[in-house]
Amino acid sequence: KAGVTQTPRYLIKTRGQQVTLSCSPISGHRSVSWYQQTPGQGLQFLFEYFSETQRNKGNFPGRFSGRQFSNSRSEMNVSTLELGDSALYLCASSAAGLSDTQYFGPGTRLTVL
Amino acid sequence: AQKVTQAQTEISVVEKEDVTLDCVYETRDTTYYLFWYKQPPSGELVFLIRRNSFDEQNEISGRYSWNFQKSTSSFNFTITASQVVDSAVYFCALSEMFSGGYNKLIFGAGTRLAVHP
Repeated sequence: KAGVTQTPRYLIKTRGQQVTLSCSPISGHRSVSWYQQTPGQGLQFLFEYFSETQRNKGNFPGRFSGRQFSNSRSEMNVSTLELGDSALYLCASSAAGLSDTQYFGPGTRLTVL
Repeated sequence: AQKVTQAQTEISVVEKEDVTLDCVYETRDTTYYLFWYKQPPSGELVFLIRRNSFDEQNEISGRYSWNFQKSTSSFNFTITASQVVDSAVYFCALSEMFSGGYNKLIFGAGTRLAVHP
């Protein structure tokens, strides 16, 4: 079974731009979660999607948004990029339940200049 | 409030030594799940174990073992006879059944393990 895939793997943007990251879950998994990892704040939960609906959300500003498609693939978008948005963005997929095991992708490393 | 504490920032050992990574958690929920993940230099988080709050049995998987003690809110991870390939950052995480909502993992700060030949 193929694992979680994320594209692109690396991205360089400038302040003020917007960015879209993509995540394809493990086949059969319907829940996709997103996390931000920075040296200062560690791993933080962004949001979770299931059946094209956001079921849970972390404490991030509205510049961070996401969506999920009918095939369970998910995208997250960050608008008006700030230097502090530079991070490794990790996507995880799980079956469907409340606290199922989450399997992570390789991440997208975003650098904001 | 929910919280996961990994007090050991970095640990350095020589190959074949045993090493224990500590994890202490805080939660008000009576139903929760605890996880350990490994993050090698490539960056991907690799799942190691999931344990629910009602199952306090210790678990062993090869050279890895986990000790869950609800009385002290700890979920420690031991690597026996460490190998260079064990070098990575290890994260302990908590998922609360009710307070946290769907699939929200709360991570500790991680422990960087360096195993030297």
